Amino acid sequence: DTAVSQTPKYLVTQMGNDKSIKCEQNLGHDTMYWYKQDSKKFLKIMFSYNNKELIINETVPNRFSPKSPDKAHLNLHINSLELGDSAVYFCASSQGTWQGQYFGPGTRLTVL
Amino acid sequence: GENVEQHPSTLSVQEGDSAVIKCTYSDSASNYFPWYKQELGKRPQLIIDIRSNVGEKKDQRIAVTLNKTAKHFSLHITETQPEDSAVYFCAAKPGGGADGLTFGKGTHLIIQP
Repeated sequence: DTAVSQTPKYLVTQMGNDKSIKCEQNLGHDTMYWYKQDSKKFLKIMFSYNNKELIINETVPNRFSPKSPDKAHLNLHINSLELGDSAVYFCASSQGTWQGQYFGPGTRLTVL
Repeated sequence: GENVEQHPSTLSVQEGDSAVIKCTYSDSASNYFPWYKQELGKRPQLIIDIRSNVGEKKDQRIAVTLNKTAKHFSLHITETQPEDSAVYFCAAKPGGGADGLTFGKGTHLIIQP
């Protein structure tokens, strides 16, 4: 009964490649998010998305793009991967803006 | 945008003692303040949250206090146990929109046996 799931758990790839991380939630939540956790454990919002709006953190390079095929999924696409993209990426979801956000297990991305 | 400061970065307490972690925020529009616990290699887990219309909230050994005037909020853990050892993050967000959370930099809590 996984609430928020992500695939893959680990992703190792070469610089310049394009990759995707998938996220699914079965909580019926209406808002989903992507966060990046760097090597110093700092968590930073990348995207927030519900059926009304997409909010993009201005510091996120446009090589990153979220895609939502439906309300239960928010995938993360990354083009032209760079060494600095190496991090753990967490998907999260919440019901409305006043409720807690629940995180997926994370995807550890390593760019060589 | 919002900026959240968290202190201390590391906190070591004896088992059974209390631990207090403090955060300040900058955006007066923020009105939702959750706390997350992250164990090594695991996902952040929501442990308690508070909204701006409440000054204090308690759940068993965990409590959170909020001072909106001073823009600070704190996490209190009483009767600490070894399983409380983890990194704790505070966060803030304004309500009413799909904005994500702005996190503090985390506190590594170490419970000494």
